[in-house]
Amino acid sequence: DGGITQSPKYLFRKEGQNVTLSCEQNLNHDAMYWYRQDPGQGLRLIYYSQIVNDFQKGDIAEGYSVSREKKESFPLTVTSAQKNPTAFYLCASSSGTKRNTEAFFGQGTRLTVV
Amino acid sequence: AQTVTQSQPEMSVQEAETVTLSCTYDTSENNYYLFWYKQPPSRQMILVIRQEAYKQQNATENRFSVNFQKAAKSFSLKISDSQLGDTAMYFCAFMTYSGGGADGLTFGKGTHLIIQP
Repeated sequence: DGGITQSPKYLFRKEGQNVTLSCEQNLNHDAMYWYRQDPGQGLRLIYYSQIVNDFQKGDIAEGYSVSREKKESFPLTVTSAQKNPTAFYLCASSSGTKRNTEAFFGQGTRLTVV
Repeated sequence: AQTVTQSQPEMSVQEAETVTLSCTYDTSENNYYLFWYKQPPSRQMILVIRQEAYKQQNATENRFSVNFQKAAKSFSLKISDSQLGDTAMYFCAFMTYSGGGADGLTFGKGTHLIIQP
């Protein structure tokens, strides 16, 4: 089945550690996105990539890093510089064309700092 | 800066009633796309309906329809004959394009819709 897979579903991190969230899609989509969701805040864009080997900062990129070495994969690293990393993280993808604008979402990763 | 405002943090209606969720947005772009997404307790984001800004006709999908007022930058969602399964967070969002590709979706803060039996 085509779709977006995020792993793990739950992740615990000690303070001061980096952690990487996985996002893989088999929809052949060019564009991929990472969002952070906090209660009462909606979804806020962290990073997005329109094409392989290229990505842009979103509204809250500080303390995060990404890579886009393959079309199918867009991992997000939460670094120790992120002061409040506990949140729900959603990955999404879209074809990137104006004809097919719908973004498809993964099931999310809940990150907790312990 | 592009913003999306949902002024109703929570709404509650009886099953089978009609409910309208409001959304306003601000952008300097002329070409963009508007969306309503639903997030049930499972937290899976599900597309409800989509509207192209260049189309004057309001989009409809079964019990869901929108009232798109481009000049007023308003994009409300109407749910007819509401069902218990419609209980969820609803997010208004829009997307622009730059450099030949899609920019990220900009979301509102959401409206928690509760359908009462």
